[in-house]
Amino acid sequence: GQSLEQPSEVTAVEGAIVQINCTYQTSGFYGLSWYQQHDGGAPTFLSYNGLDGLEETGRFSSFLSRSDSYGYLLLQELQMKDSASYFCAVSSYTGGFKTIFGAGTRLFVKA
Amino acid sequence: EAQVTQNPRYLITVTGKKLTVTCSQNMNHEYMSWYRQDPGLGLRQIYYSMNVEVTDKGDVPEGYKVSRKEKRNFPLILESPSPNQTSLYFCASSWGQRNTEAFFGQGTRLTVV
Repeated sequence: GQSLEQPSEVTAVEGAIVQINCTYQTSGFYGLSWYQQHDGGAPTFLSYNGLDGLEETGRFSSFLSRSDSYGYLLLQELQMKDSASYFCAVSSYTGGFKTIFGAGTRLFVKA
Repeated sequence: EAQVTQNPRYLITVTGKKLTVTCSQNMNHEYMSWYRQDPGLGLRQIYYSMNVEVTDKGDVPEGYKVSRKEKRNFPLILESPSPNQTSLYFCASSWGQRNTEAFFGQGTRLTVV
């Protein structure tokens, strides 16, 4: 079957760096995306990796290793507003492009 | 403004009463999909559409129907809602057919009693 695993909770202090890992098992893997969701809000797209390596977008970076079926989201210079849930999502092709989301990682940023 | 619009935002209904949740996007995206979000389970894909008249099942399609007659619209139909379909529903769209960068609507909170 297809599955994604990510930690359920992470806590960090303002100004720090935090890494949220995601491991996946899927057939027809195409790419790994990351989304942020604040309480009561809709998910918003953060980053996408289709190839191995690091993608950087401002304070956020995302990494993918296809051979290890592993990726991570790196958040730098943490701010209180980064407190939210973060989801990894795999796009895979099995006759059509399905998307599987992880259960989400709740990030708490402390002052 | 580029957006995905869902309606209604909140809905309380009774078991068995057919309902439709509408979804419309103004970005000319090929790919549209529906998800349900339940605590501890993340988002689960219900149905998706890679283009007009092309729809396919996601991971949890039972009890739902969709149609894609126009590129901008992708309604979700519950023919006979049951309490286990109480959930938060999101519609999303993305450019191309690979759904690698999805734009989400604001969500529909559905309660079936």
